[in-house]
Amino acid sequence: DTGVSQDPRHKITKRGQNVTFRCDPISEHNRLYWYRQTLGQGPEFLTYFQNEAQLEKSRLLSDRFSAERPKGSFSTLEIQRTEQGDSAMYLCASSPRYSGNTIYFGEGSWLTVV
Amino acid sequence: GESVGLHLPTLSVQEGDNSIINCAYSNSASDYFIWYKQESGKGPQFIIDIRSNMDKRQGQRVTVLLNKTVKHLSLQIAATQPGDSAVYFCAESRGDYKLSFGAGTTVTVRA
Repeated sequence: DTGVSQDPRHKITKRGQNVTFRCDPISEHNRLYWYRQTLGQGPEFLTYFQNEAQLEKSRLLSDRFSAERPKGSFSTLEIQRTEQGDSAMYLCASSPRYSGNTIYFGEGSWLTVV
Repeated sequence: GESVGLHLPTLSVQEGDNSIINCAYSNSASDYFIWYKQESGKGPQFIIDIRSNMDKRQGQRVTVLLNKTVKHLSLQIAATQPGDSAVYFCAESRGDYKLSFGAGTTVTVRA
């Protein structure tokens, strides 16, 4: 499978715990995105990287959220001190250098905060 | 607020009929539009895209129409099949690399 890979696919955590999601983009895609999706809604943009540089962060990304892409390949999204409102699907996507705006999504990581 | 939206949250269509899913956008600066299909528990799957310098683009069984005058786009699915049952999202961007999504239309195909 050469698509965007996300891990874990499902995570249940207690409120106040930290969680980390990993994303492996499609090989040689230089742009990587994180989106969040809640039930019944469309995905909402969180942040994106071009290579290892984080170029934009949404206001949705509070101080408890941090994303990294240290070597310009895989990325991690960490949520500290989780709250019940963080329960959502976290989607990673990637796009190649010359595709314009066409981005390809992974299957998502479901987070449930109890 | 959202910059794109869909006219109807649900659409029921008979198998074999054509489906039309509509989407309106509000920002005249939007220059790229894309349709995704999302099945339950899965990530959005790319269907077709169109740039603002075009008004029609065709793919396999799908056609996207863009009317910039009224800021409207539609996705037409020919000969709808049971496997087409899903939530369909339109999304747009305005010269940058991030997409803004509407809330989605749930398509149910009746046998």
